[in-house]
Amino acid sequence: AQKVTQTQTSISVVEKTTVTMDCVYETRDSSYFLFWYKQTASGEIVFLIRQDSYKKENATVGHYSLNFQKPKSSIGLIITATQIEDSAVYFCAMREGGAGNTGKLIFGLGTTLQVQP
Amino acid sequence: NAGVIQTPRHKVTGKGQEATLWCEPISGHSAVFWYRQTIVQGLEFLTYFRNQAPIDDSGMPKERFSAQMPNQSHSTLKIQSTQPQDSAVYLCASSLEGQGVGDTQYFGPGTRLLVL
Repeated sequence: AQKVTQTQTSISVVEKTTVTMDCVYETRDSSYFLFWYKQTASGEIVFLIRQDSYKKENATVGHYSLNFQKPKSSIGLIITATQIEDSAVYFCAMREGGAGNTGKLIFGLGTTLQVQP
Repeated sequence: NAGVIQTPRHKVTGKGQEATLWCEPISGHSAVFWYRQTIVQGLEFLTYFRNQAPIDDSGMPKERFSAQMPNQSHSTLKIQSTQPQDSAVYLCASSLEGQGVGDTQYFGPGTRLLVL
């Protein structure tokens, strides 16, 4: 069964520090795609970064990077040099890529990040 | 480029009334997805169109909910006889789907539906 679990409900950090958000997933497919999205206070859901299961290198975009540990079915999001405006809810999502899969995203319940001055 | 457009942004209906939500995908994107977000259930998949054809509606409630994509520039989600439990934010997303099913989905701002 497909499942995405984010165990951290909320995290509070001081700005300019590094934060890691955890995510574990369950899938029977050998091919899958992992995504992190951010939902701002206005409700907007913004795509941040993705990791394709066949890629061994961890993805990096700006001050976002991923810690992909395939044997552990884990895809952590790392934000370096956090800023006040990084305060948001962060969602981990998975999309299976095997034959017959239609591409729907399965989401975790989200982690609320609060960055304080 | 404009992102995914959803209208209306807010809708209030009375119990038993019909609600129609509209989505305009990013130009050139061939896939449209509908999701629903509630506090209790989080983000849930409802249905998916590719090149206007319905591909997967496994997340749609069997009664009262229907979705269409009459042309490549818009999709609608219709809820008949709305009930208070239908209150949620309804999100539309689109993706290129050029090479397969791995393309990134981009979300619209959502329609907040409140059923009184």
